[in-house]
Amino acid sequence: DVKVTQSSRYLVKRTGEKVFLECVQDMDHENMFWYRQDPGLGLRLIYFSYDVKMKEKGDIPEGYSVSREKKERFSLILESASTNQTSMYLCASRTGQNTGELFFGEGSRLTVL
Amino acid sequence: KQEVTQIPAALSVPEGENLVLNCSFTDSAIYNLQWFRQDPGKGLTSLLLIQSSQREQTSGRLNASLDKSSGRSTLYIAASQPGDSATYLCAVKNSGNTPLVFGKGTRLSVIA
Repeated sequence: DVKVTQSSRYLVKRTGEKVFLECVQDMDHENMFWYRQDPGLGLRLIYFSYDVKMKEKGDIPEGYSVSREKKERFSLILESASTNQTSMYLCASRTGQNTGELFFGEGSRLTVL
Repeated sequence: KQEVTQIPAALSVPEGENLVLNCSFTDSAIYNLQWFRQDPGKGLTSLLLIQSSQREQTSGRLNASLDKSSGRSTLYIAASQPGDSATYLCAVKNSGNTPLVFGKGTRLSVIA
């Protein structure tokens, strides 16, 4: 079975802190994605990557950056956390083929105080 | 730009009922459509993936259909159970190097 693992299920950080959210997949998938999910707003795409060292902005990239140094790992970075970044963050991966299935991790609930 | 709509936003049914969840999309040039389930506070679990060349897919009590020309998909749940209570989301994949486009989901409550 495909496994997408997010390193932290729950985090509490203070305003201004730098935050790293890690995501690892074990199926050699080319494509990886970071979403945030907020009540009433649905899933919103932050950044995605189609291959190692590649990254593309999604719909709401402001305040975030990403790193993909290895194929299996995709990190989301909040350079200076703010209270409006309190949210559920979801990582996902899929093969590079257009017909591929998308798999999600368990999510990381971030609270910024 | 592709848009995906799921109506209703919430649905409550008694246990044992058969039910249908709806998903519509504006651009019919899709590669596939995927249905997910999400329990509160958790990630999304993939339920069914329908390729554009397929009309339906089945898994246990779940059956998903796809009508590309009309821009619609339905998820049929037979003999619903309280354990089916969750939010169900659909997402479509368009051509090219583009991410999936998600609907906002339907929150299902099955009452015992």
